[in-house]
Amino acid sequence: GAVVSQHPSWVICKSGTSVKIECRSLDFQATTMFWYRQFPKQSLMLMATSNEGSKATYEQGVEKDKFLINHASLTLSTLTVTSAHPEDSSFYICSASEKRGRARLTYEQYFGPGTRLTVT
Amino acid sequence: AQSVTQLDSQVPVFEEAPVELRCNYSSSVSVYLFWYVQYPNQGLQLLLKYLSGSTLVKGINGFEAEFNKSQTSFHLRKPSVHISDTAEYFCAVSVFGTQGGSEKLVFGKGTKLTVNP
Repeated sequence: GAVVSQHPSWVICKSGTSVKIECRSLDFQATTMFWYRQFPKQSLMLMATSNEGSKATYEQGVEKDKFLINHASLTLSTLTVTSAHPEDSSFYICSASEKRGRARLTYEQYFGPGTRLTVT
Repeated sequence: AQSVTQLDSQVPVFEEAPVELRCNYSSSVSVYLFWYVQYPNQGLQLLLKYLSGSTLVKGINGFEAEFNKSQTSFHLRKPSVHISDTAEYFCAVSVFGTQGGSEKLVFGKGTKLTVNP
């Protein structure tokens, strides 16, 4: 259980175009989804947190108009990189978590396999 | 603010040898601690987590970690590694939110474990 998928797994796009990445929770309802960016040989940097039905919360330094996040349902979140440039090339990883019951227990984040974006 | 320090960026080890990957954290409040593994071009897989209770936590693939509050450490250990354990390992900390929001994970920079034959 607790499987998260991402699509596409890799994408190449031309500079100036936009690209959409999907993140889906396959067997649970993801009340919260997270988007991370990972540069080669570096750690994951949180870009934004999105709760279903509300606006995403972006981390400091992340341009919300460039990285559009939509979490329209409990199983799907999308990240759209608008007007992509070569410096946006990176590995983008999403994760999803669910809040179980009414207890305020911390919950595990389940990670997708990642999307490799190359902007030429 | 919370931070995570992984003291070793690379750890080479021979097959069947023991290994310890070090992780220290800083936080003024109670934390939850995690170790994740990442194989090349893949997402992260949870190895183990500490939420509360016993300070020795056992995870998948024979890994274990010990939470040491006084030393603010959460080192990962395996008594005998395999070639297949070659991967990047990330230590992460999350803070219990004061409201109903989602806890964020803060990751260390990762440790590249290379197991040689």
